[in-house]
Amino acid sequence: QVQLQESGPGLVKPSQTLSLACPISGDSISSGGYYWSWIRQPAGKGLEWIGRIYPSGSTNYNPSLQSRVTMSIDTSKNQFSLELDSVTAADTAVYYCARGPGSGTYESFDYWGQGTLVTVSS
Amino acid sequence: QSALTQPASVSGSPGQSITISCTGTSSDVGGHDRVSWYQQHPGKAPKLMIYYVSRRPSGVSNRFSGSKSGNTASLTISGLQTEDETDYYCCSYAGSGTWVFGGGTKLTVL
Repeated sequence: QVQLQESGPGLVKPSQTLSLACPISGDSISSGGYYWSWIRQPAGKGLEWIGRIYPSGSTNYNPSLQSRVTMSIDTSKNQFSLELDSVTAADTAVYYCARGPGSGTYESFDYWGQGTLVTVSS
Repeated sequence: QSALTQPASVSGSPGQSITISCTGTSSDVGGHDRVSWYQQHPGKAPKLMIYYVSRRPSGVSNRFSGSKSGNTASLTISGLQTEDETDYYCCSYAGSGTWVFGGGTKLTVL
């Protein structure tokens, strides 16, 4: 059973960088051949796809966030990470990590972390 | 890249059927079959209910079905049950390796 668990600070100051990690158990991030994504959800609002990364390091980002987003993979820790620069209050949301989408997950997000709330405030 | 359009809310009585629409463009929903649907209960992570427009993952009730016509995908829930009352989101490939979600629909079982 694949399990994902977001980790990182729950409070980030405006203009600083939001950093989250998603360690994976039950699957190998480097050999599974899956994409891995970050998705966020502001309180009371809908889901927003942030981006995805492949084990090779290849990435795709949401065009609306592309200038501020960096995703990376650490195969030694079997985890992938998100950095979002120059955050504002609008970046306050629950952040989810998920497996997919890609051909290996039938172009869908099949496993999700439980989500972690990140608040941007001074 | 704009969010896909879903009705804010739908409702139905136990035992009835409802359909939630998800409207996009020829660049996303209408351009291919990479459409999926997610169920999200309050405070929980979304759960995959439908992939490739109409396929169900193992373990998902056959009361849930999906379809697509043109730029609009649809999720139909038949034999409504009280536990179906929650939020539903569609998602589609939007080209160039990017993905877009719908705004979400709150289902009320009256």
